[in-house]
Amino acid sequence: DAKTTQPPSMDCAEGRAANLPCNHSTISGNEYVYWYRQIHSQGPQYIIHGLKNNETNEMASLIITEDRKSSTLILPHATLRDTAVYYCIVRGSMDNAGNMLTFGGGTRLMVKP
Amino acid sequence: NAGVMQNPRHLVRRRGQEARLRCSPMKGHSHVYWYRQLPEEGLKFMVYLQKENIIDESGMPKERFSAEFPKEGPSILRIQQVVRGDSAAYFCASSPRGRGGGGAFFGQGTRLTVV
Repeated sequence: DAKTTQPPSMDCAEGRAANLPCNHSTISGNEYVYWYRQIHSQGPQYIIHGLKNNETNEMASLIITEDRKSSTLILPHATLRDTAVYYCIVRGSMDNAGNMLTFGGGTRLMVKP
Repeated sequence: NAGVMQNPRHLVRRRGQEARLRCSPMKGHSHVYWYRQLPEEGLKFMVYLQKENIIDESGMPKERFSAEFPKEGPSILRIQQVVRGDSAAYFCASSPRGRGGGGAFFGQGTRLTVV
């Protein structure tokens, strides 16, 4: 899997948008960008994924740059319950053997009142 | 549609005993992954299985650990002769077959404590 680089920690005020950046400069053409989060002691939670187009779901938006070397996860109105470690992961298609998710250090997002 | 089910949620074993962790994937998912998270550390991949096949076990310790995903029933992660260093949270994830991207969904984990 291509490596990703994320800031180790970020703060965000409650109710404001949280923008979490991720660099993946060595991503290849058939690799997807996935975002997961882990709230303390719980199992990782899938948030969103994309290939090259921007994506939005009920949880978040994913903005991928045109050259695909970086992306931003946007939580539009952060709440205290969004405090978690957020992981940006690059992964190949489902057909490849060994296409497990490789978790790095992630970004520890602290949402403050 | 139930999510990934892991049991037990908490497991206490004495040193030298065996630990069996079970994972039932989401309905329709045929890929299972096991991860381990040591206290205050990140998630580390252990093994990737499809029904009746181990696809990638590059993250599994060479001794005492084994995994299976039989044709019927849950996936099992088995740890023989547990030691204190095996104390960790063990997470299972499942994903569907198919081309293209597809999220893997995690269970709530089994927290193993070796005393």
